[in-house]
Amino acid sequence: DVKVTQSSRYLVKRTGEKVFLECVQDMDHENMFWYRQDPGLGLRLIYFSYDVKMKEKGDIPEGYSVSREKKERFSLILESASTNQTSMYLCASTIEGGRIYGYTFGSGTRLTVV
Amino acid sequence: SQQGEEDPQALSIQEGENATMNCSYKTSINNLQWYRQNSGRGLVHLILIRSNEREKHSGRLRVTLDTSKKSSSLLITASRAADTASYFCATENNAGGTSYGKLTFGQGTILTVHP
Repeated sequence: DVKVTQSSRYLVKRTGEKVFLECVQDMDHENMFWYRQDPGLGLRLIYFSYDVKMKEKGDIPEGYSVSREKKERFSLILESASTNQTSMYLCASTIEGGRIYGYTFGSGTRLTVV
Repeated sequence: SQQGEEDPQALSIQEGENATMNCSYKTSINNLQWYRQNSGRGLVHLILIRSNEREKHSGRLRVTLDTSKKSSSLLITASRAADTASYFCATENNAGGTSYGKLTFGQGTILTVHP
């Protein structure tokens, strides 16, 4: 069974901390994505990557960076966590531009910044 | 920015009834997809319909797409309590160039099916 694994289900961090959210997929997918999900706002794209070491900004990249050193791993970095980054973070991957199979999502990481 | 807008925002029905959710979008698309999310979990891909298709079936799911009206509907027939979840439409926009499969999601419809 294909999988996208996010390293933590729940995370509590302090304001100003550097936070790493890890995502690993075992499907040899080229494209990987980070979204955040907030009530009333739906899912918003933070960053995506279409190849190793390649990244593109999504709709809300401010305060975030990403790293993709290996094809299977896509990391989201909060450079200096703030309370407005408290959210559910969802990682997803897809092959063939998502035109055939859609996304496979991880289970999500619920991050609370205090 | 939110491309898709689902309607209704919440739907409550009895087991055995059909559930219909609608999605509208604004720009030209390559495809439209529907996802399901159980509370506090990741999204699960349900069905994908391409821009040149009008209707697609998968089990108890039926999706229609009307590109002239920029709208889609998801019908779940003979609903079950286990269908209780949030349902999202998502569009892969055709803005020229390569989209890399980037999707824009709507805000979702919360479906509650009462036993």
